[in-house]
Amino acid sequence: AQKITQTQPGMFVQEKEAVTLDCTYDTSDPSYGLFWYKQPSSGEMIFLIYQGSYDQQNATEGRYSLNFQKARKSANLVISASQLGDSAMYFCAMSLPSARQLTFGSGTQLTVLP
Amino acid sequence: DTEVTQTPKHLVMGMTNKKSLKCEQHMGHRAMYWYKQKAKKPPELMFVYSYEKLSINESVPSRFSPECPNSSLLNLHLHALQPEDSALYLCASSRRGSSGSYEQFFGPGTRLTVL
Repeated sequence: AQKITQTQPGMFVQEKEAVTLDCTYDTSDPSYGLFWYKQPSSGEMIFLIYQGSYDQQNATEGRYSLNFQKARKSANLVISASQLGDSAMYFCAMSLPSARQLTFGSGTQLTVLP
Repeated sequence: DTEVTQTPKHLVMGMTNKKSLKCEQHMGHRAMYWYKQKAKKPPELMFVYSYEKLSINESVPSRFSPECPNSSLLNLHLHALQPEDSALYLCASSRRGSSGSYEQFFGPGTRLTVL
């Protein structure tokens, strides 16, 4: 069975600084996808970034990058130059080709301080 | 366009009411999902439709009844709900990404309150 672990229930970061949100995963399947979603207080689950297990390079999308360390089974999200609008709950998730459902971590509540 | 739409945004209903939640996507995705999410918790999968057929039902009570009229639409019919069913209901659709896994895109959700 697959599992996602997010060990930081809450994080604080100063505006304009970078922050890393931790995510480790566990699966015996060699093919998988890793995702990060942002959920502001409005509730919408916003897709941020995706990393496939066979992708050679770390995924990047604007200010978001995914630090993918396959041997350590970690997929940390790095947000550069934090903005007040980045304050939200962040979920790490994984899916397998054999299953359509996502396995979510417990989430990290990020607060950006002015 | 990676948009999934949901209506209504908010819904308040009594325990004897019948209501429906609607979800729509025009990205050509052939899998659609319903999730239930309580505050500060990750979403919990309820149902998965694949090619308009119900493929996963995560032991959801029968007071929740999904329907997939076509490949773009997904409904969730609600009847005789309980106050503990109050939650954010999220719809999603998915496509295959690299590594063969499914990339899911979510709608804005419906905040349901059962009185």
